[in-house]
Amino acid sequence: EAGVAQSPRYKIIEKRQSVAFWCNPISGHATLYWYQQILGQGPKLLIQFQNNGVVDDSQLPKDRFSAERLKGVDSTLKIQPAKLEDSAVYLCASSLVGADYPGETQYFGPGTRLLVL
Amino acid sequence: AQKITQTQPGMFVQEKEAVTLDCTYDTSDQSYGLFWYKQPSSGEMIFLIYQGSYDEQNATEGRYSLNFQKARKSANLVISASQLGDSAMYFCAMRESFNAGGTSYGKLTFGQGTILTVHP
Repeated sequence: EAGVAQSPRYKIIEKRQSVAFWCNPISGHATLYWYQQILGQGPKLLIQFQNNGVVDDSQLPKDRFSAERLKGVDSTLKIQPAKLEDSAVYLCASSLVGADYPGETQYFGPGTRLLVL
Repeated sequence: AQKITQTQPGMFVQEKEAVTLDCTYDTSDQSYGLFWYKQPSSGEMIFLIYQGSYDEQNATEGRYSLNFQKARKSANLVISASQLGDSAMYFCAMRESFNAGGTSYGKLTFGQGTILTVHP
């Protein structure tokens, strides 16, 4: 079974530019998550989708970050305009159901490493 | 307040020995889940083991076991017979419930991580 796919793996941009990341979850997984992981820290949830609807975006900086999952499968995360502090690894994860099931496990992709100069 | 605390920034262990990575958590929920993930230098987060708050027995998965002490709110990871390939960052995470649109969902909060180095 294929895992979570992400692209690109690396991206270098200058501040104030825009950037987009793509994620394709494990086939059949209803829930998709985007995390930001700053160097030396644990991942922080940015947004959680259930199928194509948002269930939590409380930690998404909405003035510059946006995300969509139009057909309930793959997703894009966009930053516009980027700031220096956005330099981080952006991880995408998916899980089968997403509902409040105790053992629900999230499976992660390889991440996109973003450097903002 | 930190929901997940990993107090060991770095740990060293000799190959073939056992090592314990500490994790304490804070929640007022009765139902929650505790997870451990491994993150090698390649960056991918690899799921290792899960413990539910109502599980009476400690979880085990091969060389990994979770020492769950509910009253102390701790969920330490024990790796037996360490291998060189175990060198990585290890994260403890807690799943808590939240409600959105009348449906209950789960949400993970991660600790700061512990870097494990296995010496030959």
